[in-house]
Amino acid sequence: DTAVSQTPKYLVTQMGNDKSIKCEQNLGHDTMYWYKQDSKKFLKIMFSYNNKELIINETVPNRFSPKSPDKAHLNLHINSLELGDSAVYFCASSPGAEGETQYFGPGTRLLVL
Amino acid sequence: AQTVTQSQPEMSVQEAETVTLSCTYDTSESNYYLFWYKQPPSRQMILVIRQEAYKQQNATENRFSVNFQKAAKSFSLKISDSQLGDTAMYFCAFMLRRDDKIIFGKGTRLHILP
Repeated sequence: DTAVSQTPKYLVTQMGNDKSIKCEQNLGHDTMYWYKQDSKKFLKIMFSYNNKELIINETVPNRFSPKSPDKAHLNLHINSLELGDSAVYFCASSPGAEGETQYFGPGTRLLVL
Repeated sequence: AQTVTQSQPEMSVQEAETVTLSCTYDTSESNYYLFWYKQPPSRQMILVIRQEAYKQQNATENRFSVNFQKAAKSFSLKISDSQLGDTAMYFCAFMLRRDDKIIFGKGTRLHILP
């Protein structure tokens, strides 16, 4: 069974559209994250949630809205998609205690045309 | 602010050789964790090794070991007996103990040649 899963794996869409990426973890972890990997492979954190509560919110445009219906799920909704949003988006989870390893999902490659 | 620097954008070595990937970081804090993650062509991010800064002993995982020099703020990864499956991007990463946020370096693309 996949520990951290994301759907879809690939997403191609037009500028201006709204899209969502879903993430689920079956590890029983308390904390979940979204990272963005740009075209140069640079990885940067966007958000983290602990038990459905937003903990980290880096300087991400308001068009990005994470939603955590329960601690096993963290979805990312993106409004009014722009060309610069094209990237690979990774979900991750960790037990939430200090310094615990984060386990990453397979990534969602988003291409905005 | 914490930063992570990987000075080798790309490296190539022959299969079975030993290779060392460099990483330096900058922080004014003393309690933190360091990681090496591997990203093969499949895109999956895989944890290779983890080091707790308060431990002097260098972490090892089978063919992977680190050389952690806290005073020099250096955290290099050594891969022994390299295999074709080690071909990947390798990211050095830093996390403060009081914080959940991982800061990644820009990565080193490693090619293992047959």
